[in-house]
Amino acid sequence: NAGVMQNPRHLVRRRGQEARLRCSPMKGHSHVYWYRQLPEEGLKFMVYLQKENIIDESGMPKERFSAEFPKEGPSILRIQQVVRGDSAAYFCASSTTRGGADTQYFGPGTRLTVL
Amino acid sequence: KQEVTQIPAALSVPEGENLVLNCSFTDSAIYNLQWFRQDPGKGLTSLLLIQSSQREQTSGRLNASLDKSSGRSTLYIAASQPGDSATYLCAVRPAEYGNKLVFGAGTILRVKS
Repeated sequence: NAGVMQNPRHLVRRRGQEARLRCSPMKGHSHVYWYRQLPEEGLKFMVYLQKENIIDESGMPKERFSAEFPKEGPSILRIQQVVRGDSAAYFCASSTTRGGADTQYFGPGTRLTVL
Repeated sequence: KQEVTQIPAALSVPEGENLVLNCSFTDSAIYNLQWFRQDPGKGLTSLLLIQSSQREQTSGRLNASLDKSSGRSTLYIAASQPGDSATYLCAVRPAEYGNKLVFGAGTILRVKS
């Protein structure tokens, strides 16, 4: 059973470009979470999605950021008009249910560098 | 608002030493607490998960305890090895709608051979 997969692993964008980060959850997992780790900081929750639904986006910046988890295919985190402050490691996690006993399994992350 | 603090921020010990990493959280209303390991440039590996009704969990040389009422958890590593060198992250899942994890900033551990 493959783990959580993220691609690309490294992404370089110039200011003003768009960044698209992809996450394929573990097989059988229908819940996806995105976290951001800024340099020298801990991981911060961004958004929680189920298939075709955004459940909690309380950690998402109000502008330029969006996320989706379509019925088919990976979850996508999209950052429009990137700025240098968006440079960070973006981690995706998945779980089977939203129950209290559930473990979130993390992917290897995508490291975004904005020039 | 739930906040998680980890002490110390960094720790350097000789090989073979037993050590304790500390984690505290401000709101005791949690579903569970998880300890992760993060190697440089890599993702997170789950080490131990403690449910709110549990007091401790053990896996090999690792033992994690939870005192929910006081908002504290400790990760005990016995007989440390250079391969244990990594950043250790503590995360709680608040008992509220959403299922998110709230992370501490981590403890950077270096075990010297």
